[in-house]
Amino acid sequence: SQQGEEDPQALSIQEGENATMNCSYKTSINNLQWYRQNSGRGLVHLILIRSNEREKHSGRLRVTLDTSKKSSSLLITASRAADTASYFCATRQTRGNQFYFGTGTSLTVIP
Amino acid sequence: EPEVTQTPSHQVTQMGQEVILRCVPISNHLYFYWYRQILGQKVEFLVSFYNNEISEKSEIFDDQFSVERPDGSNFTLKIRSTKLEDSAMYFCASETEYSFAKAFFGQGTRLTVV
Repeated sequence: SQQGEEDPQALSIQEGENATMNCSYKTSINNLQWYRQNSGRGLVHLILIRSNEREKHSGRLRVTLDTSKKSSSLLITASRAADTASYFCATRQTRGNQFYFGTGTSLTVIP
Repeated sequence: EPEVTQTPSHQVTQMGQEVILRCVPISNHLYFYWYRQILGQKVEFLVSFYNNEISEKSEIFDDQFSVERPDGSNFTLKIRSTKLEDSAMYFCASETEYSFAKAFFGQGTRLTVV
């Protein structure tokens, strides 16, 4: 499968703690995007990192990309109860214009 | 921030019936997509659309599915004869250019086939 895999599948932390989610993929990519999905709702774009970038920040989010290991991580600092959601990585391959979603990490932030 | 709008938010249909899911992409976007997510499963690619034609489609997107951009603003997904296994959340997405742009997703249409 060309799709990515996130780990852990589920993560439960206390409010204020940091949450780290990882994504691994299999083929060369143009970019990787992280999305959040609240239960039964739409996909909200969080951050895009290009294949020639190693790290990006957006507010409390920090994304890293290691193309040699074909992996990415999403760090949410100082988590809040409102961060409770599923988080997906989506890779845009170098060929074709679709992107492939990973299996997702379900994050629960306990107030 | 601009939004992709999908209607309806929830559709219930009898097996064998035709359904049309509607999407209004962001106005200056050029690439359009449909994805689906069966409950509890991954988000799966169905089809991409550019310059008024399908540019890529998955194995899921068989002859029962079709897409149209009838009036230059709406982007529709039609399922001709729905099956129980078509029950899923369907997401529309659009972007200005692929490879380097972020894709905006709609809120989804939950399709329930009974």
